[in-house]
Amino acid sequence: EDKVVQSPLSLVVHEGDTVTLNCSYEVTNFRSLLWYKQEKKAPTFLFMLTSSGIEKKSGRLSSILDKKELSSILNITATQTGDSAIYLCAVEENAGNMLTFGGGTRLMVKP
Amino acid sequence: DAMVIQNPRYQVTQFGKPVTLSCSQTLNHNVMYWYQQKSSQAPKLLFHYYDKDFNNEADTPDNFQSRRPNTSFCFLDIRSPGLGDAAMYLCATSRAGGGWAKNIQYFGAGTRLSVL
Repeated sequence: EDKVVQSPLSLVVHEGDTVTLNCSYEVTNFRSLLWYKQEKKAPTFLFMLTSSGIEKKSGRLSSILDKKELSSILNITATQTGDSAIYLCAVEENAGNMLTFGGGTRLMVKP
Repeated sequence: DAMVIQNPRYQVTQFGKPVTLSCSQTLNHNVMYWYQQKSSQAPKLLFHYYDKDFNNEADTPDNFQSRRPNTSFCFLDIRSPGLGDAAMYLCATSRAGGGWAKNIQYFGAGTRLSVL
């Protein structure tokens, strides 16, 4: 059965800290890996990664995929209270447009 | 702005009373999805429409049905809600077949369903 596992389950940091969130996957026909941020509403899209070793960056957030290790990390530097959210990792397979989601990492950034 | 809109944002129903949740999109995407998300859990795909083709996940209960009358609208019908169906229901859309960038799923704000 396909599986996407995120770690840690939850994380509490202070503003200004740097955090690294992890996602590992076991899927049959990997196509892409996506990161979403979910506050008290719908997940909002952050990154899509398809190629190993190429970093995607948006402001203080960055992500990289390691196809050999079947994993991805999401880095957030200089965290702010507005970064508090659940971060979801999802993997898409070649067979269709379905996403398999991980359980998420709940990040809390304290002032 | 193009978007995915879900109505209502909050829905309260009684045990066993049918309820319909709606989703509309202005993105002109050909794929629409319904997810169920319970507290502190990942979204769980219930079913999706690829154009007019309906695709049910194997473990989606028969109690859940869906309709897509046209490209823009999709409905989730829960025929006899039970207490265990209380959850956030998320609608998402994507454009299939257009290359990597277009396979991103875009989510609506969700409908939080309570069952009394």
